[in-house]
Amino acid sequence: KNEVEQSPQNLTAQEGEFITINCSYSVGISALHWLQQHPGGGIVSLFMLSSGKKKHGRLIATINIQEKHSSLHITASHPRDSAVYICAVRWDDTGNQFYFGTGTSLTVIP
Amino acid sequence: EPEVTQTPSHQVTQMGQEVILRCVPISNHLYFYWYRQILGQKVEFLVSFYNNEISEKSEIFDDQFSVERPDGSNFTLKIRSTKLEDSAMYFCASTGGAYEQYFGPGTRLTVT
Repeated sequence: KNEVEQSPQNLTAQEGEFITINCSYSVGISALHWLQQHPGGGIVSLFMLSSGKKKHGRLIATINIQEKHSSLHITASHPRDSAVYICAVRWDDTGNQFYFGTGTSLTVIP
Repeated sequence: EPEVTQTPSHQVTQMGQEVILRCVPISNHLYFYWYRQILGQKVEFLVSFYNNEISEKSEIFDDQFSVERPDGSNFTLKIRSTKLEDSAMYFCASTGGAYEQYFGPGTRLTVT
């Protein structure tokens, strides 16, 4: 069965810390999404990757296709970064829909 | 910036009732999706829709569910006879040529 795994499940950091959230998947993918979900429930797309690295503000996402692994980094974390971060993948052998990991709950303490 | 919208934001219904969740995808997008998230669980794919027909569906999307694009803008998810276990957040998403998914804010469905 195709799986998406995230680590850690929960993460607490002090404001200003550098944060890394990891995503591993079991078989080949054509794309990977990093998403942010706030307590109200809405989902916001942060990045979509198929190779390499992307950067937006304090967020950096990398993907290693050979190792089937992606990381999301947050530099100079801030309490407003507190949210659930979700990795979702589009498998090579399915349509355009995405399959989601269970998420990493991040709390940044002032 | 264009966005996906969903109505209602919260729907409460009694078991056995029919509900219709509505979505307005981004106007030039071609692919449309419904996902659901049961409280405390991960987001799950329900169905994808392209060119006025279902292109993929998951095991969750059984005969109680249907989707429709009744006009050029709306994309609806109908649950014919709701069950308690249908209580969840339902997200609509759409994609254009780049296949990046844009999500709506969700509809929280509560079945009592």
